[in-house]
Amino acid sequence: DTGVSQDPRHKITKRGQNVTFRCDPISEHNRLYWYRQTLGQGPEFLTYFQNEAQLEKSRLLSDRFSAERPKGSFSTLEIQRTEQGDSAMYLCASRILDRQETQYFGPGTRLLVL
Amino acid sequence: AQKVTQAQTEISVVEKEDVTLDCVYETRDTTYYLFWYKQPPSGELVFLIRRNSFDEQNEISGRYSWNFQKSTSSFNFTITASQVVDSAVYFCALRGFGNEKLTFGTGTRLTIIP
Repeated sequence: DTGVSQDPRHKITKRGQNVTFRCDPISEHNRLYWYRQTLGQGPEFLTYFQNEAQLEKSRLLSDRFSAERPKGSFSTLEIQRTEQGDSAMYLCASRILDRQETQYFGPGTRLLVL
Repeated sequence: AQKVTQAQTEISVVEKEDVTLDCVYETRDTTYYLFWYKQPPSGELVFLIRRNSFDEQNEISGRYSWNFQKSTSSFNFTITASQVVDSAVYFCALRGFGNEKLTFGTGTRLTIIP
């Protein structure tokens, strides 16, 4: 059973550029989550999907951020007009709706905005 | 509002010593879930344990044990006979029933000295 995968693992971009990250959840996991983690901090919730529906968005998700999960499988997180403050690790997690109640995380995409 | 406090920012112990990582939480939910995750240098968050608020039974898994005390809102994690491979950042997290957002503490960086 493969875990959550994320691509790319690392991304360096210049301020003002757009970036897109991809997350492939564990097969049959219908809930998918995005978190952001800055240096020395714990992950912070950004948004989550149930199948293709985006059900909750954090205040951290500014207008420059957009997430999609068009077919209820993989998800993308796009950041437009990147700023240096966007530099962080972007983590994706997934879970299946069952009594386990546990989110499983991918390896993350580390973004550096120059 | 929910809050998780991990007061120990960094801990260093010599290999084979026992070590306890503290976690204190705040929530108004009557039903909630507590988690511990391990984050090695590679960055991926590895799930270790989930505890439901209605189950105060402590748990042991190999060298790992967890002490959940609802009366003091604590969910502490003990590693017995520590090994170098235990070196990582450990996060405690909380999620209320019906709420998909995980609230993390700031993590404890554990270094095991050979």
